[in-house]
Amino acid sequence: DIVMTQTPLSLSVTLGQPASISCKSSQSLLRSDGKTYLYWYLQKPGQSPQLLIYEVSSRFIGVPDRFSGSGSGTDFTLKISRVEADDVGVYYCMQGIYLHSFGQGTELEIK
Amino acid sequence: QVHLVESGGGVVQPGGSLRLSCAASGFTFNRFGMHWVRQAPGKGLEWIAFIRSDGSSQSYADSVKGRFTISRDDSKHTVYLQMNSLRSEDTALYYCARELVSWGHGARVTVSS
Repeated sequence: DIVMTQTPLSLSVTLGQPASISCKSSQSLLRSDGKTYLYWYLQKPGQSPQLLIYEVSSRFIGVPDRFSGSGSGTDFTLKISRVEADDVGVYYCMQGIYLHSFGQGTELEIK
Repeated sequence: QVHLVESGGGVVQPGGSLRLSCAASGFTFNRFGMHWVRQAPGKGLEWIAFIRSDGSSQSYADSVKGRFTISRDDSKHTVYLQMNSLRSEDTALYYCARELVSWGHGARVTVSS
């Protein structure tokens, strides 16, 4: 099984300031097709998860360019350039190379 | 517009069974794989099952393998999750999701005596 480990587990950020979340996988998420199967989701309070980033760095439709993903192999990062009030919630990374598994989640709050 | 509506949740005793349904609309159902993901109260997301678009293959998390079965009926645009031998640790909100992109609002399952 592939284990996904996120840090930190909670984040308190001032509006307008940047935020960064790390995600590490226990195995490489690079497949033979050249794609890396790492995704980022946001679950806002009381809502279903929503896809933010797919294949490490591609923003899903409608996701603001304040959100960016980077990384390779087993180490990945989600960055928010300027945090807004609407960004509050729990962020999850997920791997899709062997079955699927999520990280523990990182709760972002506004300071 | 993609619309997914889960149903069939409820309270069941340990060892019991329940079948969840997920009715889909707004897209060509038989072209997409479907997943079930659950979230225990106050906890994170746990992927539990997937079925391919043509129904030819299913995969499961170890935590539910042998107890849960995912299936689909393309004529009804519905995906199912048959849950047997339920345990207290199966208590959760169960989401269906199209290719883990579009998600329903979830169906709550409580396993308790």
